Amino acid sequence: DQQVKQNSPSLSVQEGRISILNCDYTNSMFDYFLWYKKYPAEGPTFLISISSIKDKNEDGRFTVFLNKSAKHLSLHIVPSQPGDSAVYFCAAKRNYGGSQGNLIFGKGTKLSVKP
Amino acid sequence: GAGVSQSPRYKVAKRGQDVALRCDPISGHVSLFWYQQALGQGPEFLTYFQNEAQLDKSGLPSDRFFAERPEGSVSTLKIQRTQQEDSAVYLCASSPWAGHGSGANVLTFGAGSRLTVL
Repeated sequence: DQQVKQNSPSLSVQEGRISILNCDYTNSMFDYFLWYKKYPAEGPTFLISISSIKDKNEDGRFTVFLNKSAKHLSLHIVPSQPGDSAVYFCAAKRNYGGSQGNLIFGKGTKLSVKP
Repeated sequence: GAGVSQSPRYKVAKRGQDVALRCDPISGHVSLFWYQQALGQGPEFLTYFQNEAQLDKSGLPSDRFFAERPEGSVSTLKIQRTQQEDSAVYLCASSPWAGHGSGANVLTFGAGSRLTVL
């Protein structure tokens, strides 16, 4: 059973407009959420994160919103640029015990930003 | 090194062969993870090391999979008697932190080793 779901496999947006990527999760014990971006033939690279005690985190053109009651988070990219075209993975983490918990990833959403 | 380095980048194996995949994490990084990414899926956790100690191997799919990090730096993921379902990209990630805290959550990934089992 998927604990982190990205229900849109792909998204196409015009350059300069807003891109909104969505992610849903089922485990209420998750306390930290991250977005990773992946270009072909490269590993995922960290983009932005949010703690479960916050509802918004902003970094330049990227903003992540967290709605804990709905178990939903979204990544907003404004304005979108062609270089943003990549696969975006949502990931969640639950801290447990005394050691670092692992990341649980969604299946990814492929974003295409058209000039 | 500047980033996480993985080798080989591509490996083709015949069913039943043993393979070894290497990961050189960023120097000084305490935590090291292995993930498996099948085609069209997100990365799935395999195992976690804190220095040389393997603290979590709950994601290893079978006893054919074995990982080690004997000196707390380089790690090797070994797959014995490979099967077609083992075909995937194997990603290694490292972090300078261990334990709790936001810094511990951000992993730096390598480019991965793509394994194809014929």
